[in-house]
Amino acid sequence: DVVLTQTPPTLSATIGQSVSISCRSSQSLLHSNGNTYLNWLLQRPGQPPQLLIYLVSRLESGVPNRFSGSGSGTDFTLKISGVEAEDLGVYYCVQSTHAPTFGGGTKLELK
Amino acid sequence: QVQLQQSGAELVKPGSSVKISCKASGYTFTSYDMHWIKQQPGNGLEWIGWIYPGNGNTKYNQKFNGKATLTADKSSSTAYMQLSSLTSEDSAVYFCARSLRRVFDYWGQGVMVTVSS
Repeated sequence: DVVLTQTPPTLSATIGQSVSISCRSSQSLLHSNGNTYLNWLLQRPGQPPQLLIYLVSRLESGVPNRFSGSGSGTDFTLKISGVEAEDLGVYYCVQSTHAPTFGGGTKLELK
Repeated sequence: QVQLQQSGAELVKPGSSVKISCKASGYTFTSYDMHWIKQQPGNGLEWIGWIYPGNGNTKYNQKFNGKATLTADKSSSTAYMQLSSLTSEDSAVYFCARSLRRVFDYWGQGVMVTVSS
């Protein structure tokens, strides 16, 4: 199985601060078709996860553009440029290049 | 709009089985994969498997072979997951999630399954 390691596990931020979350894979996520199936999800308390970013850097419709994704191969990053209160929750990376696996999550909380 | 409406919470006894549902609306049910994901309290997310309702094809995480069985009813646009030989380790919230081209874009609200005598 592909292991996704997210860091940090917890992130404390003030409103307006920019933060980054790292997701490292135990194997390359580049598919033979040229796509890299690395997505980012946000799970707010008591809610199901919601899709933020897919294919490394493509913003899901309706997601604010303060969210951005980057990376390739085995190293990926989610950046939030100016945290807002509604961004609090647990962020997960998920890969589906191979049998799907999820990162352990990063909890974003207010400092 | 796309909606995935899951069935209600279940309290079941050890050794029994449970079947939970995920009713899809707002899109062509047979054109998208449906995945199932497990989330234990305080833990992360674990992929169980997927079904393609268009032809009934399935694929499972090896860990859930023999534990989970995925089916789909095209006439009611509903996907099902049956969990068998339940133990306390199966107590969790179970989500269904739609997928197209390997992206989980819509999720059900989740079903809490509690295994207790």
